[in-house]
Amino acid sequence: DTGVSQDPRHKITKRGQNVTFRCDPISEHNRLYWYRQTLGQGPEFLTYFQNEAQLEKSRLLSDRFSAERPKGSFSTLEIQRTEQGDSAMYLCASSQGGDPYGYTFGSGTRLTVV
Amino acid sequence: QKEVEQNSGPLSVPEGAIASLNCTYSDRVSQSFFWYRQYSGKSPELIMSIYSNGDKEDGRFTAQLNKASQYVSLLIRDSQPSDSATYLCAVNAVDSNYQLIWGAGTKLIIKP
Repeated sequence: DTGVSQDPRHKITKRGQNVTFRCDPISEHNRLYWYRQTLGQGPEFLTYFQNEAQLEKSRLLSDRFSAERPKGSFSTLEIQRTEQGDSAMYLCASSQGGDPYGYTFGSGTRLTVV
Repeated sequence: QKEVEQNSGPLSVPEGAIASLNCTYSDRVSQSFFWYRQYSGKSPELIMSIYSNGDKEDGRFTAQLNKASQYVSLLIRDSQPSDSATYLCAVNAVDSNYQLIWGAGTKLIIKP
């Protein structure tokens, strides 16, 4: 499968717990994005990597959120001390230099905080 | 005012008719415009991109851009039930690294 893979597909966690999501982009794509989407809304930007460098992070993102992309390959998104407001679909997308806006999205990780 | 606005719908169109989806944006310096389709419970998939004023056609889909009016639309000809989905309009964020700003989407229902 040469698409964008996200794991897990679903995560239910108790408030206050930490969670970590993984994204494997298309191998030749050097750009990787994390977005968050809630029901009835469009995706909301969280952060962006070009290769291993995190070049942009949303001002909306609190210090409880952190993302990494070691060696410019897969990426992880960690949420510490989860809150009910963190419940959403977390989408990873990748794109390549020749078509930077041509996002390919993964299937997403649906997070439910109870 | 939201940066990218869409009518949430639902927009109901008979099978075989033309579906017209509209989007307005607030940033006058945006240069890149995108339409994504999202089926329920799935992630968005890119349908069309448009960068210049005028029309761009791809199969049954036509994107129309009017930068003076800050308006972009998507026409779907010969609508099929499989076109039933939410259509998201996205615009490039100025002064950002290929970040997109998204509308909330319009839900389209094609009635057989």
